[in-house]
Amino acid sequence: EAQVTQNPRYLITVTGKKLTVTCSQNMNHEYMSWYRQDPGLGLRQIYYSMNVEVTDKGDVPEGYKVSRKEKRNFPLILESPSPNQTSLYFCASSSLGLAEITDTQYFGPGTRLTVL
Amino acid sequence: TQLLEQSPQFLSIQEGENLTVYCNSSSVFSSLQWYRQEPGEGPVLLVTVVTGGEVKKLKRLTFQFGDARKDSSLHITAAQPGDTGLYLCAGSRINTGTASKLTFGTGTRLQVTL
Repeated sequence: EAQVTQNPRYLITVTGKKLTVTCSQNMNHEYMSWYRQDPGLGLRQIYYSMNVEVTDKGDVPEGYKVSRKEKRNFPLILESPSPNQTSLYFCASSSLGLAEITDTQYFGPGTRLTVL
Repeated sequence: TQLLEQSPQFLSIQEGENLTVYCNSSSVFSSLQWYRQEPGEGPVLLVTVVTGGEVKKLKRLTFQFGDARKDSSLHITAAQPGDTGLYLCAGSRINTGTASKLTFGTGTRLQVTL
């Protein structure tokens, strides 16, 4: 089954404790992206990756890092989490990076992060 | 980043009623997508509209792209409890040679009761 998986689904942590949220897709997609979803703000893009070893900042990259060492994986790293990073995070992938109008972005199930 | 404004933010209706959700922006988009998101899940694409004035139907859901490609609407006829969820619009600007930008709306939370 074609899917995007994220782990963990739920995480409660404390300020300053480094964490990683993993994302994996099995559709051989070139493009992967991370979003955060906050009430009243919609989904905002954090980072995206066009291909292996190619990453770029989205709209709200501060406080986050990413890496793309393999095509299928795109982990999101919070080196020193702060309470304002409490949010619902989504990983997404697409085959063409939305370069074609008909391209579709597939989303993972989300990771709910709480930073105390 | 130019946000897409959706209205209403919340909508609670009874089964069988009709409703319309609006998605507005001052920017022009190459295409406009509508997603539905259910609790505990990621958004799922419902439809993509690409031409100004385009109308697409998906069973009881009718999607329209504005003539100027700055706005869109989603109309649901005879709503059912299964339509309950968060509806998100997202505008895309196609960038040649680089990843395109998908700008999401603020969302409309719909609840349909029996």
